Amino acid sequence: GAVVSQHPSRVICKSGTSVKIECRSLDFQATTMFWYRQFPKQSLMLMATSNEGSKATYEQGVEKDKFLINHASLTLSTLTVTSAHPEDSSFYICSARDGKSGNTIYFGEGSWLTVV
Amino acid sequence: RKEVEQDPGPFNVPEGATVAFNCTYSNSASQSFFWYRQDCRKEPKLLMSVYSSGNEDGRFTAQLNRASQYISLLIRDSKLSDSATYLCVVNGFNAGKSTFGDGTTLTVKP
Repeated sequence: GAVVSQHPSRVICKSGTSVKIECRSLDFQATTMFWYRQFPKQSLMLMATSNEGSKATYEQGVEKDKFLINHASLTLSTLTVTSAHPEDSSFYICSARDGKSGNTIYFGEGSWLTVV
Repeated sequence: RKEVEQDPGPFNVPEGATVAFNCTYSNSASQSFFWYRQDCRKEPKLLMSVYSSGNEDGRFTAQLNRASQYISLLIRDSKLSDSATYLCVVNGFNAGKSTFGDGTTLTVKP
């Protein structure tokens, strides 16, 4: 079946640095990808919708200058957490929508970010 | 009111029980519907799509009621391994916005 690969799966970074997370659709083209964060025992929180070749649409309350999203190709979207702080530590998950299989959404494996 | 609403639970049921979850949506133009399963500290995984005619996959049955704008997931003969959070997803018209419910937590006990 369709696969979405997310990298890195775990990353530890120092406060004030930036970290980039990649999301790739491996066997389908994804015109739309989504980025979420999830805190322990809480539900997924949609951060932004990423459309290939255009600017991402951010959800209310999500700082677009802090969470930079780039969707430069039909198979790759990246999320860069800039000037990370400990409160940014979370589980970040991407998903990609496969328009050729009834708009089914497939998730990446997620990235655990720890800011120290 | 949220666009997609689920009863958060938790649902605590004994092994072998039948349990049902509902998910209501507000946009009548919504086109496609799915159920996902998320295990603790893992990403959600597609469980099944939901079709207008209803569909079944082993112990799992999904149904769509467009008139009342809800989808349901029925799990028969619950297993311990069914313990997870179940998320519904509603896709908007013409591949529009995809909206997730907050999830329903199921715990199956021996």
